[in-house]
Formats: sequence, C-alpha cells, structure tokens
Amino acid sequence: DSGVTQTPKHLITATGQRVTLRCSPRSGDLSVYWYQQSLDQGLQFLIQYYNGEERAKGNILERFSAQQFPDLHSELNLSSLELGDSALYFCASSVDSPAGELFFGEGSRLTVL
Amino acid sequence: GQNIDQPTEMTATEGAIVQINCTYQTSGFNGLFWYQQHAGEAPTFLSYNVLDGLEEKGRFSSFLSRSKGYSYLLLKELQMKDSASYLCALVNRDDKIIFGKGTRLHILP
Repeated sequence: DSGVTQTPKHLITATGQRVTLRCSPRSGDLSVYWYQQSLDQGLQFLIQYYNGEERAKGNILERFSAQQFPDLHSELNLSSLELGDSALYFCASSVDSPAGELFFGEGSRLTVL
Repeated sequence: GQNIDQPTEMTATEGAIVQINCTYQTSGFNGLFWYQQHAGEAPTFLSYNVLDGLEEKGRFSSFLSRSKGYSYLLLKELQMKDSASYLCALVNRDDKIIFGKGTRLHILP
C-alpha cells in the first residue's frame, strides 16, 4: 500500500459526459502528479501540483482540468468525454518538488462507451 | 523537448540475468528513475540515479551515464514474479517526470 488513495477504482460512462477523479496523497506529501495510461501506452504526464499551485503541465487536453485543494487532495475533471479517453488514470505523490520518489495510487480505470 | 527509448519487449529465463537499456535525449537533466509495473497495477519504485555510476540494491542494479544519455537496469537471479513492465523515467530541468513507454519483460521457466 503506497498510501495514495484514488477513487473511484472503476468508472464506466458515455461519450459527452463529465467525470471527476479524486486523489488523496500520502500524508505529508505536497506534490501531486496525474498520469494517463492507455492500453499498451506509457504513462503520459498530464499535470503536477505542489502545495496547491500548478507546478508543471504536460499534454493535458483543454477538456481536462485539475486542481489541488488546501487539504492537498486533488481532483482531475474530464469533460466532453470521447472513446479515446478510456484509460487508466494514475495519481502519484511525492514529498516535494524537485522530484523525489513518486508513490502511485492504484489508478482509476475509466471506460467511455 | 525530451525523448526516451527502451526496447518494447524482452524475454529471459528464470535464474538468468537481464539488462534493460534506456537511452534519452533531453535539454536538461535532473535524474532518472526506474519503475516496475505489473499489468493493471500501479508502478512501484526501483531506483533513482542522479550521478554517473552503478547503484546496487539487492537483485536489481541501475547504471547511469549522463554524457552518453544512457541508463540500464540489471536484474539478476530472475524470478517468475519479475515478469512485468520496466519503465525508465526522466526528470527534466523543469522537474517534470517523463516516462518512456516501458519494456515488457517475459520470464520463461
């Protein structure tokens, strides 16, 4: 158990819908990272937050947004969903930024039908 | 930008040694991670190299050459449970952690 909690574990929804994925980092970790992993693809970096502020942005679509709250949990919002958004979404946390070891949650598997 | 290359798949025999290579190009370098990921599971940390050289941790060792843009992960005394994907990840000068596509390692009995 990495100490990072992601909910929901599984989510099935339809095209055009909107979903919110939630992540609680390890106690004491200030940085939260979001990654997308599609079938047979590597982990694609989406976005990073550090202590409530956006720190780095990767290839995150405009239909996606994220935030980190004062209690350090983070949410990833995916809207106008398309079939291609079906993937495993991982949240990871680390003590600080610059990067230390990343601790990954179990992931949220999103299926868009 | 940055680019990370790893072999897509490798096969090795139980009890043997395997070396998984990772080459990279980046405009700035702050470190290199290796992670292990079993299918459908979360990646787990194996090693982190910042300086050149070999770091050994049990059956796993990781090597880095910054001048060559090259790293490898060495797995000794392979066990069936080592069948997994191995992900090389670069920390660039903006502290973004960028993952390669991973190497799927198959262990044969």
